[in-house]
Parts: sequence; C-alpha cells; structure tokens
Amino acid sequence: EAQVTQNPRYLITVTGKKLTVTCSQNMNHEYMSWYRQDPGLGLRQIYYSMNVEVTDKGDVPEGYKVSRKEKRNFPLILESPSPNQTSLYFCASSLYGGHQPQHFGDGTRLSIL
Amino acid sequence: KQEVTQIPAALSVPEGENLVLNCSFTDSAIYNLQWFRQDPGKGLTSLLLIQSSQREQTSGRLNASLDKSSGRSTLYIAASQPGDSATYLCAVSQGAQKLVFGQGTRLTINP
Repeated sequence: EAQVTQNPRYLITVTGKKLTVTCSQNMNHEYMSWYRQDPGLGLRQIYYSMNVEVTDKGDVPEGYKVSRKEKRNFPLILESPSPNQTSLYFCASSLYGGHQPQHFGDGTRLSIL
Repeated sequence: KQEVTQIPAALSVPEGENLVLNCSFTDSAIYNLQWFRQDPGKGLTSLLLIQSSQREQTSGRLNASLDKSSGRSTLYIAASQPGDSATYLCAVSQGAQKLVFGQGTRLTINP
C-alpha cells in the first residue's frame, strides 16, 4: 500500500531535549516536505527536499533541521525544542514537486513543555 | 508573498444540499491549485488538482473551478452527505518547490 509513515504520532517532551520525527514513503517519490499546522495559521511549510541531498528552507525553518540521505526518508530534527514548536506536524511527498498531487502522513502531535 | 484565504471558516448544512466552498489567492501567477480534505486525526487527502490553464476539474460529486485572473477557486459539492463532513483546504503552487495553503473551511453535514 502506498503510504507516508510518520513516527511518533504523539509526543510530549520538555524544552531543550533533542527529538527527531521520522518520515518514510514507499512510493519512490523524489519530493518530500514538512509542514506544521497551527490554529488560525493553517499549514506552513518548514523544509522541503527535491531529491536526495537536496534540501531547502520553507516559510518557517527556524529551530528545525532536516536531512535527506536516502530517497525514502526525510527526518525532521528539533535540536533544542521550545514551547512555541508545540504543533501538529505533517510530512508529505510527491513524484517530483509541490506542484503535483501530494501524499500526506497522518501527522505527529508534538507538545513541548 | 502569496496569501490564500478561505471563507467561511466553518459551514453547517443539512444533508442533500448542494454547496460551494471558496478559496481566494493574492498572486495570480500560479502553476496550479489543489483541493484537499482533512479528517480529524488524519492527514490531508488530495481531492482535485486544477492546472493554471484549466477552468474546472470534476471527480464524482465534486467540481472545482478556477478563475486565475480574479484569484478565485470554488469547490462545489453536490448532494452533500454526512460522510462529506471534514475540513477542506485549498493550496496554490507557484512552482515545484512548495504549496501555500489556506486555513481551511470546516464543513458539517447534518443528517
């Protein structure tokens, strides 16, 4: 089954404790991206990747890192999480870019205390 | 900077009605526009994608139109059903890099 898998689905942690949210897709997609969704602000793009070893900032990259060492995986890293990063996070992928139909994961709800 | 707006933020209608959801964008230089559905606790599901050269796109009871020059798109849902209850989001693409999303319309269909 074609899917985008995020882990964990839920996480409560404390300020400053490094965490990684994993994202994996099994569709051989070149394009992957991360979004955060906040009430009243909608989905905002954090980072995107056009292919292996090619990543770039979206609209709200501050406080986040990503890597794309393999085509299927695109982890989101919060090296020193802060309460303002409490949010619902989505990973998405598509064949070649943001202009194509996107496949979304089920989301990761992060709470930073 | 592209901005996407969806009005109303929430809509409640009785089952069986035809309804229209609205999406507007500030920069008409778009590549395409996508409509998504989001169910509680789930990710987004792509419903329709309209290329900038197209006027409309249909899938079953859904019809999306695009007026690029005026910066507007509508999603028409015919004969609404309780299962259509969800949040509907539109997003515009100005290239391969990213999508810019609206804040969504939360739709409730009452039996």
